[in-house]
Amino acid sequence: EVQLVESGGGLVQPGGSLRLSCAASGFTFSSYWMHWVRQAPGKGLVWVSRIKSDGSSTRYADSVKGRFTISRDNAKNTLYLQMNSLRAEDTAVYYCARDDYGDAYVYWGQGTLVTVSS
Amino acid sequence: DIQMTQSPSSLSASVGDRVTITCRASQSISNYLNWYQHKPGKAPNLLISSASTLQSGVPSRFSGSGSGTDFTLTISSLQPEDFATYYCQQSYSTPITFGQGTRLEIK
Repeated sequence: EVQLVESGGGLVQPGGSLRLSCAASGFTFSSYWMHWVRQAPGKGLVWVSRIKSDGSSTRYADSVKGRFTISRDNAKNTLYLQMNSLRAEDTAVYYCARDDYGDAYVYWGQGTLVTVSS
Repeated sequence: DIQMTQSPSSLSASVGDRVTITCRASQSISNYLNWYQHKPGKAPNLLISSASTLQSGVPSRFSGSGSGTDFTLTISSLQPEDFATYYCQQSYSTPITFGQGTRLEIK
């Protein structure tokens, strides 16, 4: 069974940092591109970042470029999102998702909540 | 960036109704259009990929159509479990973008 389990969310002050993890199981993690998608409270889904299966290529939404870094450890079957210089508008539930059909996602994690507030 | 615009933003309907949600892209995206259903506290669920390909396990009352800039998601006969928010998503180019969502509510 495919499973994606996010962790690392929590309350952080503006300007702070947080690292999210997404532990994958039930499939060959190293064969899939992976994504982060977020949803702010009461708002819609927003794509955040994408990483190629071997980690050699990454892309970011303009709103997080230069502040967030996506990475992966294929030996540990884990996807990461390092978030620096956090802002109130980064408050959201963050989902990791597997790229199943060219940027379409069948499998998602359950989400982890990040709250940026003083 | 490609902008995705859904209409309506919200919709009230009854069990058994036929419902259509539309999604318009700001430029042609061929058939690189996906539809998701999202319920509170749950992960989104991919219903349709490539504009019209029904995902495994998704009931046949869901269907998708369109190409270029205009797309539709149709639910032929609403069931109680279909009340949720629906999003279109373009996968033609990065940044990947979603529509703003259509909230489907019980009348």
